Amino acid sequence: EVQLVESGGGLVQPGRSLTLSCQGSGFDLDGYAMHWVRQGPGKGLEWVAGISWNSVTMDLADSVKGRFIISRDNAKNCLYLQLDSLRIEDTATYYCARDLNYGDFLVPESWGQGTLVIVAS
Amino acid sequence: QTVVTQESSLTVSPGGTVTLTCASSTGPVTSDFHPSWFQQKPGRAPRALIHSSTDRHSWTPARFSGALIGGKAALTVSGVLPEDEADYYCLLYCRGVRLFGGGTKLTVL
Repeated sequence: EVQLVESGGGLVQPGRSLTLSCQGSGFDLDGYAMHWVRQGPGKGLEWVAGISWNSVTMDLADSVKGRFIISRDNAKNCLYLQLDSLRIEDTATYYCARDLNYGDFLVPESWGQGTLVIVAS
Repeated sequence: QTVVTQESSLTVSPGGTVTLTCASSTGPVTSDFHPSWFQQKPGRAPRALIHSSTDRHSWTPARFSGALIGGKAALTVSGVLPEDEADYYCLLYCRGVRLFGGGTKLTVL
């Protein structure tokens, strides 16, 4: 069974940093592209970042470019999202998702349960 | 700035049929936009339903179908069940940008 478990969320002050992790199990991470998607409280989904199976291709939403970094460690079956210069509007539940394919990250198919990040002073 | 637009809310009777749509401000939605659809129930993670405009995932019930209609991506739910009450989101790949629509709240009443 495919499982994705996010961790690393919590309460953080504006301007500080946080790193989220997504541990995959039941499959080999290196066969798939991966995504991060977030959802603010009471709001809709927002695509945040994607990475190809071999980390050659990455992309970030304009709202987080220059502040967030997506990375992966296939040997550990783990996906990461480094969140720097956090803003109040970054408050959200962050979901990781496995893509349907290994190359282009276009179809987030299997989702984790999410980790909550609260940015507040 | 590109915007992806969905109906904010729709209501359907049990057993009925409803179609949700997904439009892009850049123009007609085509297969090049790689439309996907997701269902989300309160307090739960989203669940993928449809990808590549029309393809169901292995777990997607047959009553959910996707299409391209009139320049929009569409999700049709036939024979609606009470458990289909949820928020539904589309995802489009618009000119190199991956964007979710604002979501449609589907009420089964």
